Amino acid sequence: NAGVTQTPKFRILKIGQSMTLQCTQDMNHNYMYWYRQDPGMGLKLIYYSVGAGITDKGEVPNGYNVSRSTTEDFPLRLELAAPSQTSVYFCASSPPGLAGQRGETQYFGPGTRLLVL
Amino acid sequence: GENVEQHPSTLSVQEGDSAVIKCTYSDSASNYFPWYKQELGKRPQLIIDIRSNVGEKKDQRIAVTLNKTAKHFSLHITETQPEDSAVYFCAASKGGSYIPTFGRGTSLIVHP
Repeated sequence: NAGVTQTPKFRILKIGQSMTLQCTQDMNHNYMYWYRQDPGMGLKLIYYSVGAGITDKGEVPNGYNVSRSTTEDFPLRLELAAPSQTSVYFCASSPPGLAGQRGETQYFGPGTRLLVL
Repeated sequence: GENVEQHPSTLSVQEGDSAVIKCTYSDSASNYFPWYKQELGKRPQLIIDIRSNVGEKKDQRIAVTLNKTAKHFSLHITETQPEDSAVYFCAASKGGSYIPTFGRGTSLIVHP
């Protein structure tokens, strides 16, 4: 298994441009997540999905959109990029937990480093 | 909602010393507590986890302890090595939620 893969690895955007960060997992996990990590900081949840066709906002959703048309893919769309969106973006997936636990171990992708100038 | 506090934010030790990182959580319904290690420029990866029905778990040089009454859990690393240098994140999850709550991270520096 490749696990969780993300593309691109690095991207420079100009203010006002748009882009899509791709995320794919081959572990058949139901749950997928997008986080951003600013330098020296922790992980902030942007959006998450509990299955195909179902998405919900996290802590910092403004300026982003997501879709989940398949179990494998969970792309993150940035519209009108701003310098405040300069960050490292991690996609993660998680299987259903034991005994009905909904969220368990998170498997992270390698990250996309985004610079908005 | 759940709140997870992690201390210290930075920990500097000499090679061979032990390191302890502590997290406290607020929601008594939380029942799953993973620890992630993030090396510089890499992704966070699970190193150990513990469930609420267990008080302690060990894996070679690392161990995690859980005190449900006090609502805190700790990561213990013995005989630290330079390759243990990384940022460590704790997290807490409860059965009814899809979203784990992460601590803010501890930067561990092991000096040779």
